[in-house]
Amino acid sequence: GNSVTQMEGPVTLSEEAFLTINCTYTATGYPSLFWYVQYPGEGLQLLLKATKADDKGSNKGFEATYRKETTSFHLEKGSVQVSDSAVYFCALGPLGKLIFGQGTELSVKP
Amino acid sequence: DTAVSQTPKYLVTQMGNDKSIKCEQNLGHDTMYWYKQDSKKFLKIMFSYNNKELIINETVPNRFSPKSPDKAHLNLHINSLELGDSAVYFCASSPGQENTDTQYFGPGTRLTVL
Repeated sequence: GNSVTQMEGPVTLSEEAFLTINCTYTATGYPSLFWYVQYPGEGLQLLLKATKADDKGSNKGFEATYRKETTSFHLEKGSVQVSDSAVYFCALGPLGKLIFGQGTELSVKP
Repeated sequence: DTAVSQTPKYLVTQMGNDKSIKCEQNLGHDTMYWYKQDSKKFLKIMFSYNNKELIINETVPNRFSPKSPDKAHLNLHINSLELGDSAVYFCASSPGQENTDTQYFGPGTRLTVL
């Protein structure tokens, strides 16, 4: 079946630190992979996506590469800001629905 | 202009009541969804509709009944509310059902059952 596993949070970093949030998946077929972000009290926003193996998605300084050989889609950012504090969700997109990881809460301190 | 909107934002009600949540999208998308986010922030799909037709029903109790009067609207009616129904419910839409399609989410409706 299809599933997504994310590293557990919360993750606490100082401003300008390097961020990695691990995401691995199990999938049949050729799904797309997504990272969504949920800021406090808000809905989910698409952060980036990749639709096939070796694609790199990027947005707002975040990036992730679709690695079929390691079934991973790790999220990275070189220098986090306080405004990046949020919950980050990795998701798998087979036809017709999104399957989410459990979410990773990120807290960035000044 | 809000792309995907939901009403109400907050809903507090007693066990056993019936309530509805409304969702509208102005993106011209064909496919709409309902997701449930529990207290641990875990998100799970409940339903999806494509062009007003039910496509996915993820073993949701039949107390939950989605209704899609047109492509732009997908409402969720819940009968005989239970404590375990307390959650945040998100509506979403996408252009179609392709696995490359991005889903756009509404702001959520926080349902509290007392």
